[in-house]
Amino acid sequence: GAGVSQSPSNKVTEKGKDVELRCDPISGHTALYWYRQRLGQGLEFLIYFQGNSAPDKSGLPSDRFSAERTGESVSTLTIQRTQQEDSAVYLCASSKGLLFYEQYFGPGTRLTVT
Amino acid sequence: EDKVVQSPLSLVVHEGDTVTLNCSYEVTNFRSLLWYKQEKKAPTFLFMLTSSGIEKKSGRLSSILDKKELFSILNITATQTGDSAIYLCAVPNFGNEKLTFGTGTRLTIIP
Repeated sequence: GAGVSQSPSNKVTEKGKDVELRCDPISGHTALYWYRQRLGQGLEFLIYFQGNSAPDKSGLPSDRFSAERTGESVSTLTIQRTQQEDSAVYLCASSKGLLFYEQYFGPGTRLTVT
Repeated sequence: EDKVVQSPLSLVVHEGDTVTLNCSYEVTNFRSLLWYKQEKKAPTFLFMLTSSGIEKKSGRLSSILDKKELFSILNITATQTGDSAIYLCAVPNFGNEKLTFGTGTRLTIIP
C-alpha cells in the first residue's frame, strides 16, 4: 500500500515568512510523529499525535512551531516567522500505535530559509 | 529511488544473547549510513559509517559497513533488557541530506 507522503518535497522561503508542511500518514496508523533533521545532526523529535489524545508538544523548539492533525489523517506543521536556523529536513512518520510499533517515515520536506 | 531494507523485522532473544541486525541499501551517491536506537520518541543516534570494513564500537554495540556488498550490520553482545528498542538504519541522500530509513528491527530482550 501507499506509504507516508509529505509535501512539498522542497521549500525555499524568505526569513520571516510562514510555512506549512503537510504529512499524509499510512491509512489506519493512529500515531503520527514529526521530526527535524538539521544538516549533520541526528533526528530531533518535535511532536507526536496518538489517536484523539492531546498531542505531545514537548519537542517543539519555540512557540513559532505548531502542528495540527485532523482525526487520524493528515497533519500540518506550521512554522511562523521562519528563521535561518529553521532550515532542515522535516520528517513525518506514522505507526500503528505509540512507542512499540515500527515507525514508517515519509521522504521529508527540505526547508531552506534564506 | 533510494531504498533501505532491514532484517529481521522483529527479534526476540534472552538476556545475555548476542544479536546481529542487518541493513542493506540501494542509494545513489552514497556517502554514509546511520544507525539509530528508538525507544520512545526521537531515535537516538548510534553510529555513522562512511568507510568500508572499519568497525565502529561503543560498549557492547558495534557496527561495520560493506560498501561493496551494500550492507551494514549492527551487533549487540551480552544483551540487556535496556537494549529492547527499535533499531533504525538510514542513509542520507548526498546533496539534499534527506534520510531514507529502513522500517527498523524491533528487538525484544526477555529477562
